[in-house]
Amino acid sequence: DADVTQTPRNRITKTGKRIMLECSQTKGHDRMYWYRQDPGLGLRLIYYSFDVKDINKGEISDGYSVSRQAQAKFSLSLESAIPNQTALYFCATSDPDGRDEQFFGPGTRLTVL
Amino acid sequence: QKEVEQNSGPLSVPEGAIASLNCTYSDRVSQSFFWYRQYSGKSPELIMSIYSNGDKEDGRFTAQLNKASQYVSLLIRDSQPSDSATYLCAVNPSNDYKLSFGAGTTVTVRA
Repeated sequence: DADVTQTPRNRITKTGKRIMLECSQTKGHDRMYWYRQDPGLGLRLIYYSFDVKDINKGEISDGYSVSRQAQAKFSLSLESAIPNQTALYFCATSDPDGRDEQFFGPGTRLTVL
Repeated sequence: QKEVEQNSGPLSVPEGAIASLNCTYSDRVSQSFFWYRQYSGKSPELIMSIYSNGDKEDGRFTAQLNKASQYVSLLIRDSQPSDSATYLCAVNPSNDYKLSFGAGTTVTVRA
């Protein structure tokens, strides 16, 4: 079984809809991250959480919100989706003792029409 | 200036040759450096971590770090068609447990 899972893997939605992307991990890591990837722009950090009660904005948090339901679960919501949020979204985890190594889930391809 | 910059590529190398990928970073206090491999449509996969100046070898991969020059590189020896992918350089700037990623260099190994 995969250590980091994301659901859904693909989603097509319309402008204005609320969307939730979910991430679960069995690695036992405290730290979790949400990134988006756009062609030519690399990975950009949206939100990160170092434990259940610690949630922080990344470099591109506008239009997004997150929820850390448990150590193993970290969800990303698009409150009102817009076309420029069309991207590949990745969840990642890291261990505080793991020297900053991050491990990625399989990704969610989101298309906003 | 971007925090992490990579040679833009694409880089095309013949099978069996050495592929050389370069990355520079702007934050002098960075202490952790990573190379990820990403196949088209897939997630990034960690292939190398390096924390000290010098070379670190793992199989056909060698990472080289020079903190004085703010430079980290990845060499892929005996390149194989399966090495065809985009390689992402990542740096922990300011040692705050977040990573900054370069835009990636796409490598194509031609048979």
